[in-house]
Amino acid sequence: GNSVTQMEGPVTLSEEAFLTINCTYTATGYPSLFWYVQYPGEGLQLLLKATKADDKGSNKGFEATYRKETTSFHLEKGSVQVSDSAVYFCALFRNTGFQKLVFGTGTRLLVSP
Amino acid sequence: DTGVSQDPRHKITKRGQNVTFRCDPISEHNRLYWYRQTLGQGPEFLTYFQNEAQLEKSRLLSDRFSAERPKGSFSTLEIQRTEQGDSAMYLCASSPRTGANNEQFFGPGTRLTVL
Repeated sequence: GNSVTQMEGPVTLSEEAFLTINCTYTATGYPSLFWYVQYPGEGLQLLLKATKADDKGSNKGFEATYRKETTSFHLEKGSVQVSDSAVYFCALFRNTGFQKLVFGTGTRLLVSP
Repeated sequence: DTGVSQDPRHKITKRGQNVTFRCDPISEHNRLYWYRQTLGQGPEFLTYFQNEAQLEKSRLLSDRFSAERPKGSFSTLEIQRTEQGDSAMYLCASSPRTGANNEQFFGPGTRLTVL
């Protein structure tokens, strides 16, 4: 079946540190991949996406590259800010068949000044 | 604001009561999705509609759950005879089309607490 595995949190960093949140997936076919972010008390917001192998999604300094050979979509940011503290969800969307977003369990990021 | 809206934002009910949630998608989005999110987990798919047709339902959607989208605009999710295990955040999302590059826009959610 289709599934997404994320590294467990919380991830605790100091401001300006480098961030990596690992995400791997299992899927049939060629899914689209997403990172969503959930700030405290708010709904899910799309952070970035990639729709085919080797695509790089980027937004607000965050990047992730669709790696088909390693079935991965790791999220990175060169210098985190306190305002990046949130829960980050990796997700896949199958473009055929039973269409739905399949989410990982989320990784909480805590950034201290 | 033209985003996805959900009502109510919070609902506390006693076990055995019925509850109904409403979702208003972004105007002209023809696809509408319901997800459930429990503490410490990612959202799990419940069901989706294309216009007024309910096309897919998860096995998570027991017969106590029913969803409608009567005119292809807003949707309601009803839970009958609520149980404590139904306590969760219920999320609604909408999207303008299917296929590649599909992006779902999420509402703020309705947090249900069953006492």
